This record gives sequence, C-alpha cells and structure tokens, in this order.
Amino acid sequence: ETGVTQTPRHLVMGMTNKKSLKCEQHLGHNAMYWYKQSAKKPLELMFVYNFKEQTENNSVPSRFSPECPNSSHLFLHLHTLQPEDSALYLCASSQERASGSDEQFFGPGTRLTVL
Amino acid sequence: GQNIDQPTEMTATEGAIVQINCTYQTSGFNGLFWYQQHAGEAPTFLSYNVLDGLEEKGRFSSFLSRSKGYSYLLLKELQMKDSASYLCAVQDSNYQLIWGAGTKLIIKP
Repeated sequence: ETGVTQTPRHLVMGMTNKKSLKCEQHLGHNAMYWYKQSAKKPLELMFVYNFKEQTENNSVPSRFSPECPNSSHLFLHLHTLQPEDSALYLCASSQERASGSDEQFFGPGTRLTVL
Repeated sequence: GQNIDQPTEMTATEGAIVQINCTYQTSGFNGLFWYQQHAGEAPTFLSYNVLDGLEEKGRFSSFLSRSKGYSYLLLKELQMKDSASYLCAVQDSNYQLIWGAGTKLIIKP
C-alpha cells in the first residue's frame, strides 16, 4: 500500500463515451501528477498540480481534462478518446513540485482500453 | 532533445549480481532516480543520486557519474522477487522527471 489509490483499476470505453479516472493520496502531499504509460515506452508526464494549481500541461490533447478540487484528490476526465489512448494511466504524488530529492509515490494505475 | 537510454531487457541467475546501466542527455541535472515496477503494479522508489559516487542500500546500490551522464543500478544476491522492470529517471533543470523506457529484468533459477 503506497498511500495513493486509483479507481477504477480497469476501464473499457468506446470512443464516444465520457468517463473519469480518480486518484486519492493519503500522504499529505502537495503535488500530484498524471502519467501515461504505454508498453515499452517511457512514462509520459501529462499534468502536474502543485497546491491545487495546474503548473504543467505537456501538450496533452483536450480530450483529456484534469481536475484537482483539493490537494488530496485528482481526476482525469476522458471524452471522445482514440484507440491509441489505450494505456496504463498512473497517478503520483510528492511532497512538493520541484524539490530535489522528493520521491514520487505512485498509485496502481488504471488500465484503459478504448475500443 | 532530452534522452534516457537503458537496455530493454536483461536476464540473470538467482543468487548472482546484475548491473543495469542508464545514460542520459538532459537540459540540466537535478538528480537521478531509480524505480522498480513489478508487472501490473505501481513503480516504487529505489534510490536517488545527485552527487557522483555510489549509494548503497542493502542488496541494491546506485552509482552516478555526472561528467559521463551515466548511472547504474547494481543488484546483488538476486532473488526471484527481483524480477521486475527498473526505471531510470533524471530530474532536469525545471525539476521535471525525464524517464527511460525501463529495463525488464528476468531472473532464472
């Protein structure tokens, strides 16, 4: 148990569906991250929130929409996805953004399949 | 561009020693991380190096040479549970983590 939980663990959706991924951290951290992990590719940073403010959006398509209502919760809203968006979506948290040796704690991920 | 290179896959024998290399080219450097990821699970933190040299933590050690843009993770007395992917990540000048694609380590009896 890493202190970061994600739901659902698995999600299958059609290209016209709208769904949301949820992440919750119980570590008292101030920074939260969304990553995309595809097979045999490096982790791709999607969004970063620091103290509930979005600090980075790494050219992510608008069909992915993040929401951070407080420093413990992070959502990723999905709509009109493409089959190439199928991947493992990982949430992570750290004490703060940009703080040297702070490790990131990861959730177990949501395995997303877009049909 | 920024780049992290590590071998795709390595095989080693239970009880042996294995060294997983990572080379990097990044815009600035604010430390290098190693994470372990078992199949279907979350990555978990193993080590952090920001100064040159060797950091030892039990059976695992991590080495850094900033002048060579090079690090390695050394695993001793390999156990079957060490079968996993090992991810190298470098923190650039903006403190953004740049990740390698990971090295899948297979341990054979």
